[in-house]
Amino acid sequence: DGGITQSPKYLFRKEGQNVTLSCEQNLNHDAMYWYRQDPGQGLRLIYYSQIVNDFQKGDIAEGYSVSREKKESFPLTVTSAQKNPTAFYLCASIGYTGAFFGQGTRLTVV
Amino acid sequence: KQEVTQIPAALSVPEGENLVLNCSFTDSAIYNLQWFRQDPGKGLTSLLLIQSSQREQTSGRLNASLDKSSGRSTLYIAASQPGDSATYLCAVRDNYGQNFVFGPGTRLSVLP
Repeated sequence: DGGITQSPKYLFRKEGQNVTLSCEQNLNHDAMYWYRQDPGQGLRLIYYSQIVNDFQKGDIAEGYSVSREKKESFPLTVTSAQKNPTAFYLCASIGYTGAFFGQGTRLTVV
Repeated sequence: KQEVTQIPAALSVPEGENLVLNCSFTDSAIYNLQWFRQDPGKGLTSLLLIQSSQREQTSGRLNASLDKSSGRSTLYIAASQPGDSATYLCAVRDNYGQNFVFGPGTRLSVLP
């Protein structure tokens, strides 16, 4: 089955802790994106990558980091510098047939 | 900077009605436009993709149109069903293919 997989579905972070959200795709897409969604708000772009070993900051990159060592994988790390990390995080890969999204990770600070 | 708006923000209709959701964008230099559906707590499901050279796309009871010159797209849902209840988002991708901008969504409720 072709698709995009995010894990875990739920994640809890303690104050001062870094956590990493996983995103894997087997659609052979070059471009991958990370978005943040807050209740009642639209999607905001955190980081995107057009090709392996390259990535660009989006509108709200502060407190986040990414890597793109493999075409299939684009993990997002939420660092302790992100002051308000509680949100729903969505990963997408984009090709000629459009954008495809994972099922999301809900991150909560405890 | 591309901005995408959607009207209405919320819509409630009785089952069986035909309805139209609207999406507007400020920069007509787009690569494509895509409509998505999002159920509560879930990811986005792609509904229809319209390339910049196309005027409309159809899938089952859904029809999406694109008018680049006026910066508008509409999503038409025929014979609505309670299962259509969800938030509908449109997104545009610019000509450079690097930026994908979302609208805030329309929250649809179809009442049985």
